[in-house]
Amino acid sequence: SQTIHQWPATLVQPVGSPLSLECTVEGTSNPNLYWYRQAAGRGLQLLFYSVGIGQISSEVPQNLSASRPQDRQFILSSKKLLLSDSGFYLCAWSVYRWARQAQETQYFGPGTRLLVL
Amino acid sequence: DAKTTQPTSMDCAEGRAANLPCNHSTISGNEYVYWYRQIHSQGPQYIIHGLKNNETNEMASLIITEDRKSSTLILPHATLRDTAVYYCIVRVSVTGTASKLTFGTGTRLQVTL
Repeated sequence: SQTIHQWPATLVQPVGSPLSLECTVEGTSNPNLYWYRQAAGRGLQLLFYSVGIGQISSEVPQNLSASRPQDRQFILSSKKLLLSDSGFYLCAWSVYRWARQAQETQYFGPGTRLLVL
Repeated sequence: DAKTTQPTSMDCAEGRAANLPCNHSTISGNEYVYWYRQIHSQGPQYIIHGLKNNETNEMASLIITEDRKSSTLILPHATLRDTAVYYCIVRVSVTGTASKLTFGTGTRLQVTL
């Protein structure tokens, strides 16, 4: 079965410091990978998605970047954190397949709670 | 992107069916309706999805109206562990094989004894 890992679970960082959040998926190959952010009391917002190694698409221009160095690894980074970067960061994976109808369901990891002070 | 409208909150007695409505009047013909739930401080959990026909799995049933402008998620026998925020989402393709899920504020379901 497939498993998705995110770390760290919680992070407190000062403004202006760098950021690196990691997400890995087990039990599948060539997945789509996604980074979402959830601000306090709000819904999830898609930040980046990737359909393959080295292929990154950004949905929202911001202070963050993403990379996919390996098939099942997705990294979210920032060179200098802002207060507004605080939030709950979620990684998700999916695999597209056709079975009676198009199937592309995203499965989410446990998330990283980031607090920028 | 198709927008969804859900009630802010609902209550349900344990053991009873929980029926969570969702309006998606601007949905396009090939867009799927997905339901997720999020228990406090956890990542969203996939529940069910559908296009036109009603769907059922081990967690829930999804009823989609014939005009596809609304749907209802049914938890047949709610338990305390079903207390969560439930999100109704219209899946939007960003490439041929990847999609964007736009989460609103969802419905906060409180299951009580």
